[in-house]
Amino acid sequence: AQTVTQSQPEMSVQEAETVTLSCTYDTSESDYYLFWYKQPPSRQMILVIRQEAYKQQNATENRFSVNFQKAAKSFSLKISDSQLGDAAMYFCAYRSAGGAGGTSYGKLTFGQGTILTVHP
Amino acid sequence: KAGVTQTPRYLIKTRGQQVTLSCSPISGHRSVSWYQQTPGQGLQFLFEYFSETQRNKGNFPGRFSGRQFSNSRSEMNVSTLELGDSALYLCASSLGVLSTDTQYFGPGTRLTVL
Repeated sequence: AQTVTQSQPEMSVQEAETVTLSCTYDTSESDYYLFWYKQPPSRQMILVIRQEAYKQQNATENRFSVNFQKAAKSFSLKISDSQLGDAAMYFCAYRSAGGAGGTSYGKLTFGQGTILTVHP
Repeated sequence: KAGVTQTPRYLIKTRGQQVTLSCSPISGHRSVSWYQQTPGQGLQFLFEYFSETQRNKGNFPGRFSGRQFSNSRSEMNVSTLELGDSALYLCASSLGVLSTDTQYFGPGTRLTVL
């Protein structure tokens, strides 16, 4: 079974500064996807960024980027130029890439989450 | 395109009752997954439905069940409610065909069991 660990229950950052959220995972699979989801106080879970394990290049989405270290099973999220609207709970998640037809692609395994506070 | 909708948004029940939650996926999506979110256990996968068939199931007791209709709408049912079932229940939808398909979450249903 896969596990995802976020070792930072809480993090804080000053507006306009950079913050990095950590995530490690454990799996015996070679093909999988990793995600960072954001859950603001409104509770709507929003996808921030996605990384395919077979891609060596780190994913980037505007101010959000990841540092994916497959051998170390590490997947950190860097938020640059932090904004007040970035304040939320951030979840790291794992999903198997599956195999033959009929494989379930609906199961995400989540970490415990990191609460990010952004100070003005 | 309308997002994932969940009804009701809030629900209060008493122990021993049963409850049904509904999830309407994004138009064209055939996969619906359900998650339970609690402060103690975090986010846990309940089950996934694809084209009216349960495709995967998490480690929850048989009191938790679900189904999916031909229009891809899904319901989950919890029978004989316990205090520990109080949680935010999230559903997510995706096309469900390729491993690259992205899942989109609904706003959740907050269930309180008294």
